[in-house]
Amino acid sequence: GAVVSQHPSWVICKSGTSVKIECRSLDFQATTMFWYRQFPKQSLMLMATSNEGSKATYEQGVEKDKFLINHASLTLSTLTVTSAHPEDSSFYICSARPAQGVPSTDTQYFGPGTRLTVL
Amino acid sequence: GDSVTQMEGPVTLSEEAFLTINCTYTATGYPSLFWYVQYPGEGLQLLLKATKADDKGSNKGFEATYRKETTSFHLEKGSVQVSDSAVYFCALSSYSSASKIIFGSGTRLSIRP
Repeated sequence: GAVVSQHPSWVICKSGTSVKIECRSLDFQATTMFWYRQFPKQSLMLMATSNEGSKATYEQGVEKDKFLINHASLTLSTLTVTSAHPEDSSFYICSARPAQGVPSTDTQYFGPGTRLTVL
Repeated sequence: GDSVTQMEGPVTLSEEAFLTINCTYTATGYPSLFWYVQYPGEGLQLLLKATKADDKGSNKGFEATYRKETTSFHLEKGSVQVSDSAVYFCALSSYSSASKIIFGSGTRLSIRP
């Protein structure tokens, strides 16, 4: 149980185009999902927190107009990188926190990540 | 703010060697502490956790004890295997961080046969 999937697993796009990444909790409902960015050989940096049905909360320094997050249902959150540029190339990882009480509120389950390469 | 510091890698060991990866934290209050593992080409997986002082988390032969007096959560394994080769992240979550998970920089572990 507690599986989180991401789609696509990797994507290559041209500079200036937009890319959408999906994050799904497959066997549980997630009131909160998180989006992270991981640079090569570095740690995960939290980009934003999304709660179902409300606007995402972005971390300082993250451009909300560039990284659009939508959490339309309890099992799906999407990250859209708009007008992508080569410096946006990175590994994007989502995680999902189960609804309160199932099991503990500090538990997050991570997706396998999406590698984005912008040419 | 809350933070996690872990030893820099890479760490290279021979199979069956003893492993220690150091981790210390700074946090207000009483955080939950975690070790996550990222195998090559895969996403993060929770390896073990501890939620209060003196708790010991354990899984797959790995152990870590929540030491409040030294603000540490060092990861240990008595005999590593080649399959343990991965990147290990120490992390915390606390009320003061709004329950966000704050990660250390990661330690790459390579085990030689």
